[in-house]
Amino acid sequence: DGGITQSPKYLFRKEGQNVTLSCEQNLNHDAMYWYRQDPGQGLRLIYYSQIVNDFQKGDIAEGYSVSREKKESFPLTVTSAQKNPTAFYLCASSPSGWNEQFFGPGTRLTVL
Amino acid sequence: AQKITQTQPGMFVQEKEAVTLDCTYDTSDPSYGLFWYKQPSSGEMIFLIYQGSYDQQNATEGRYSLNFQKARKSANLVISASQLGDSAMYFCAMREAFTGGGNKLTFGTGTQLKVEL
Repeated sequence: DGGITQSPKYLFRKEGQNVTLSCEQNLNHDAMYWYRQDPGQGLRLIYYSQIVNDFQKGDIAEGYSVSREKKESFPLTVTSAQKNPTAFYLCASSPSGWNEQFFGPGTRLTVL
Repeated sequence: AQKITQTQPGMFVQEKEAVTLDCTYDTSDPSYGLFWYKQPSSGEMIFLIYQGSYDQQNATEGRYSLNFQKARKSANLVISASQLGDSAMYFCAMREAFTGGGNKLTFGTGTQLKVEL
């Protein structure tokens, strides 16, 4: 089955630790995205990548980093510089000229 | 300025009734796309319907239809014959171009819909 996988579903970390969230897609999509969602809020764009080995900052990139070494994978690292990392993180992908953005199931990160 | 505005934080509807979820948008780009997504409590984002700015007719997908009024910059979602499974958060989103190329989605703050017996 084609789709987007994110692991783990729930993640707990201590304050001050970096943590990497996984996102993999087998849809052969060029573009991939990371969003953050806070309770009762809409999604905000963290980073996006239109092609392998290239990525750009979204609206709230501070405290986050990404890499895009393979078309299928777009991991997100939440660094200790992110002041309020507890949130729900969603990964998405889309083909060129898209009329739909496909989402993964999300990772709920809690920093203790 | 907010680009996508959803003014209804919460809505109630009785089962089998129709409900309209409001969405207004702001853009100066003549080419854009409008989306509605459903987010149940599990957190996944489910694509419902899409309307392109140049589409002449309102989009429909099963029980979902989009009431697109371009001059008023509104793209309301209409759900007909509501079902208990429709209870969820609903997000309106707009596709717009990045400065450096490519596209992104900008989301509204959502409307929590509760379907009652």
